[in-house]
Amino acid sequence: NAGVTQTPKFRVLKTGQSMTLLCAQDMNHEYMYWYRQDPGMGLRLIHYSVGEGTTAKGEVPDGYNVSRLKKQNFLLGLESAAPSQTSVYFCASSSLVEQFFGPGTRLTVL
Amino acid sequence: AQKITQTQPGMFVQEKEAVTLDCTYDTSDPSYGLFWYKQPSSGEMIFLIYQGSYDQQNATEGRYSLNFQKARKSANLVISASQLGDSAMYFCAMRGRWSSNTGKLIFGQGTTLQVKP
Repeated sequence: NAGVTQTPKFRVLKTGQSMTLLCAQDMNHEYMYWYRQDPGMGLRLIHYSVGEGTTAKGEVPDGYNVSRLKKQNFLLGLESAAPSQTSVYFCASSSLVEQFFGPGTRLTVL
Repeated sequence: AQKITQTQPGMFVQEKEAVTLDCTYDTSDPSYGLFWYKQPSSGEMIFLIYQGSYDQQNATEGRYSLNFQKARKSANLVISASQLGDSAMYFCAMRGRWSSNTGKLIFGQGTTLQVKP
């Protein structure tokens, strides 16, 4: 039982490049989330999903897209990376009570 | 709008002493949940404790307890008998009524706790 996993763990991009972050969970949770964490701040919600095939915007969705084609996977895409997207990205999935977090992806955009 | 406020950017505590980390919240939802997470220097988010707004008793998990004062809208985390391994960033978070908020968490800015030997 791996819980929530994220791929990759680290990535460096140049401005304008694109990439996809993959999140996978093996707990059969309906709800999944993408957050970003900037220095000195708490986590802020980017996008979330309440089930396979559904997505919705969170607090800071601009510049990101998501897809939930399979229940266990939640993908976060950056179409044209900007330095302001340098951050640590956390994926999470949720039971009725607890939200389980992945280990995070540290992304640097130069 | 929902909001979480942690007013202590940094705290120090002597090993084996107790420490209280402050958290106040604002919500108009009649039903909500409050969480505390620990983030050590390695970066992962570790769930510590949960308190539901209708729970009669304050939540406890080992050395962690949540001092829930609903009228004051506060949900302070108490760590008893601090250990060096407790040095970390601590986040308070809130989830509003499940049906309307779909489990989304609102986080405070965090408190850095350093335990001195």
